[in-house]
Amino acid sequence: GAVVSQHPSWVICKSGTSVKIECRSLDFQATTMFWYRQFPKQSLMLMATSNEGSKATYEQGVEKDKFLINHASLTLSTLTVTSAHPEDSSFYICSAGGQSSGANVLTFGAGSRLTVL
Amino acid sequence: GQNIDQPTEMTATEGAIVQINCTYQTSGFNGLFWYQQHAGEAPTFLSYNVLDGLEEKGRFSSFLSRSKGYSYLLLKELQMKDSASYLCAVSVYGGSQGNLIFGKGTKLSVKP
Repeated sequence: GAVVSQHPSWVICKSGTSVKIECRSLDFQATTMFWYRQFPKQSLMLMATSNEGSKATYEQGVEKDKFLINHASLTLSTLTVTSAHPEDSSFYICSAGGQSSGANVLTFGAGSRLTVL
Repeated sequence: GQNIDQPTEMTATEGAIVQINCTYQTSGFNGLFWYQQHAGEAPTFLSYNVLDGLEEKGRFSSFLSRSKGYSYLLLKELQMKDSASYLCAVSVYGGSQGNLIFGKGTKLSVKP
């Protein structure tokens, strides 16, 4: 089945620094990948849709200059949290589409837990 | 607006059956998904319903009624490893397949 790899699985950084998270589709090509954020005891919230070779589409309320998304190839999307602050501490999860049970089913990466000190 | 409701927590006994309900009000509907999420891990796909009725897959079954905006996930022969959060998510028309609206999840605790 489809496998999505996400790295790093956890990261701690100082306030004001930038952090890059990678999302790779290992055994399939993904023209579209998705980035979610999940705060404790909250639901997954779609942040942006990453499109290969073009600009990402951001959800309302998500700052595109703060959360930079690059989808340079069919197997790699990156999310960079710029000038991170403690309120950006969260669980960031990427996903890509695949087929299962006749539906377009998302396969999720293992997630990246970001802690900003 | 988009709204998906499911109970926050449930407790059940090993070997028993548990039903997790989900109601939704969304601007469109292109299918309903159930995902399992263990603490600190990514969600994993369990089931997908787009037509009314029951979909059975081993110990897990999922039901959908589009007219009622209602779904449930049924877990049989509960095992300790089933302790996890179960996320109900709706795919909304007009968005990409990633445009899933997620509920907050139901944390299921399975007791011996």
